[in-house]
Amino acid sequence: AQSVTQLGSHVSVSEGALVLLRCNYSSSVPPYLFWYVQYPNQGLQLLLKYTTGATLVKGINGFEAEFKKSETSFHLTKPSAHMSDAAEYFCAVSGPGYNQGGKLIFGQGTELSVKP
Amino acid sequence: SAVISQKPSRDICQRGTSLTIQCQVDSQVTMMFWYRQQPGQSLTLIATANQGSEATYESGFVIDKFPISRPNLTFSTLTVSNMSPEDSSIYLCSVERDRGSNEQFFGPGTRLTVL
Repeated sequence: AQSVTQLGSHVSVSEGALVLLRCNYSSSVPPYLFWYVQYPNQGLQLLLKYTTGATLVKGINGFEAEFKKSETSFHLTKPSAHMSDAAEYFCAVSGPGYNQGGKLIFGQGTELSVKP
Repeated sequence: SAVISQKPSRDICQRGTSLTIQCQVDSQVTMMFWYRQQPGQSLTLIATANQGSEATYESGFVIDKFPISRPNLTFSTLTVSNMSPEDSSIYLCSVERDRGSNEQFFGPGTRLTVL
């Protein structure tokens, strides 16, 4: 079965440090890829997405992600963590290999903690 | 983007009762979806709400338990029927504003606790 795997259910970084959240997918066909953020007691907000074109995608709040087909990965990074980045982050896939009307398949989520 | 509201934002219900959750979008959209997020877990798609026809349910979800209505292109409801404590979750609706874009916008969610 096709799946999305996020390595690490909890990641803790210091304020100002690099943020790296890992996401790998399984698909024989390159999918559409997304990162969502969920702040406590709120819905999901789209951070960034990859569909086609440039493999390095820039999103909101200083986040970016790079699609690497050879590694089937779509890791999320931010050069310098801020306290306000503390949240749950979800990687999701959709598209040709998964598509049944545009539905998303989500990874397990990674909780990011930022220490002062 | 799309502005999506859900009612209620949270509720505490008794076992065996039913709750209907509403999802309202500020513009007409083709695709609407309902997801469940169980405590401490990721999101799982329940069904795709189709305007003018029956919803399309994912494996493990059935219409009798989760009836869905989609009377028009801006509104949908999800009912959680004959609830049990295992139904305690956050229920989220989402929309794909532009069909084929694969980009979904999510509502704030409804936090349901079943006693």
